[in-house]
Amino acid sequence: EPEVTQTPSHQVTQMGQEVILRCVPISNHLYFYWYRQILGQKVEFLVSFYNNEISEKSEIFDDQFSVERPDGSNFTLKIRSTKLEDSAMYFCASSGLLGGYTFGSGTRLTVV
Amino acid sequence: SQQGEEDPQALSIQEGENATMNCSYKTSINNLQWYRQNSGRGLVHLILIRSNEREKHSGRLRVTLDTSKKSSSLLITASRAADTASYFCAYLLTGGGATNKLIFGTGTLLAVQP
Repeated sequence: EPEVTQTPSHQVTQMGQEVILRCVPISNHLYFYWYRQILGQKVEFLVSFYNNEISEKSEIFDDQFSVERPDGSNFTLKIRSTKLEDSAMYFCASSGLLGGYTFGSGTRLTVV
Repeated sequence: SQQGEEDPQALSIQEGENATMNCSYKTSINNLQWYRQNSGRGLVHLILIRSNEREKHSGRLRVTLDTSKKSSSLLITASRAADTASYFCAYLLTGGGATNKLIFGTGTLLAVQP
């Protein structure tokens, strides 16, 4: 069964550093997403990406965040200058036209 | 807020018993999905029910959807210790258009005692 692959599974970074979280969505999916989950809390939508551009972003997705699909297979989330409160599990997902989602297994980001 | 609400927040049962979790939402939806998450791990898709469906089964899972009440329930029958996890409902809004984003509920933490 097709999978969404995320790397790394765990990233530790110092406050103020830039991080790039990587994802390989399912190849024939059209929509790509990033969600995050702070420990013990609900899963929150960050951004959706369709037709090579951001289609919607949440209030959380401020100027420190950016997404790219650089080569037609990878989908990345960049945080320019990490803060302690960015520590969370970040999930990549992709879906087809009918909304059938597949989530990756997540990247746990720890900012110290 | 578009956020879904789930109850109970936590549920503890004995192995073999049934577990029922409820989800309520506030807007018109296209479909509603249930996910499972083991502690600190990824989201595993369990089942999807479309807005024109009322009930769906998958193994020991039974999901109902009442669009007039804007609510859904997930029933796990004959629970096992391995069912211990957090369960989240998530729904897709109608007219998602270029977004198709999922709105997640607050989750129910299920503990099944052996």
